[in-house]
Amino acid sequence: DSGVTQTPKHLITATGQRVTLRCSPRSGDLSVYWYQQSLDQGLQFLIQYYNGEERAKGNILERFSAQQFPDLHSELNLSSLELGDSALYFCASSVRVSGELFFGEGSRLTVL
Amino acid sequence: QQPVQSPQAVILREGEDAVINCSSSKALYSVHWYRQKHGEAPVFLMILLKGGEQKGHDKISASFNEKKQQSSLYLTASQLSYSGTYFCGTDIQGAQKLVFGQGTRLTINP
Repeated sequence: DSGVTQTPKHLITATGQRVTLRCSPRSGDLSVYWYQQSLDQGLQFLIQYYNGEERAKGNILERFSAQQFPDLHSELNLSSLELGDSALYFCASSVRVSGELFFGEGSRLTVL
Repeated sequence: QQPVQSPQAVILREGEDAVINCSSSKALYSVHWYRQKHGEAPVFLMILLKGGEQKGHDKISASFNEKKQQSSLYLTASQLSYSGTYFCGTDIQGAQKLVFGQGTRLTINP
């Protein structure tokens, strides 16, 4: 158990819909990262937050948005979903920017 | 900006050694190594900071050549438990984001 909690673990939805993935970092960790992993693919960096502020962006689509709240939990919002958005979405946290990452178990999104 | 890993896949017998390479076209602040088993989340192995250090624990070690912007992961006397996909993550100087390579799938057979 990494200490990072992601909900929901599984989500099945239809194209055009909107979903929200939630992440609670390890106690004391200020940095939260979001990654997308498609079937048998690598980890694509989406976005990073540190203590409530956005620190870095990757190849995150405009249909996707995220935020980190004052209690440090983070949410990733995916809208106008397409079939290609089906993937495993990982959240990771670390004490500091670019420190050791602790990954949650991921949220598996299936878009039908 | 994504680092390049090689090889893409390795198949070994238990007890054999393996080397996984990671290279970047950008100057690096640090290199991370993670292992992901099938159906699980990636797990941290080690971080190497610029300065050309080498780290290791148990029979897994790594080196970082900041001049060449390359890192290598060494697995000696491999065990069945070493099977999985290994990812290097690079922190490009000034970018403050960790970008992972495509991964190297390691299979250890008895």
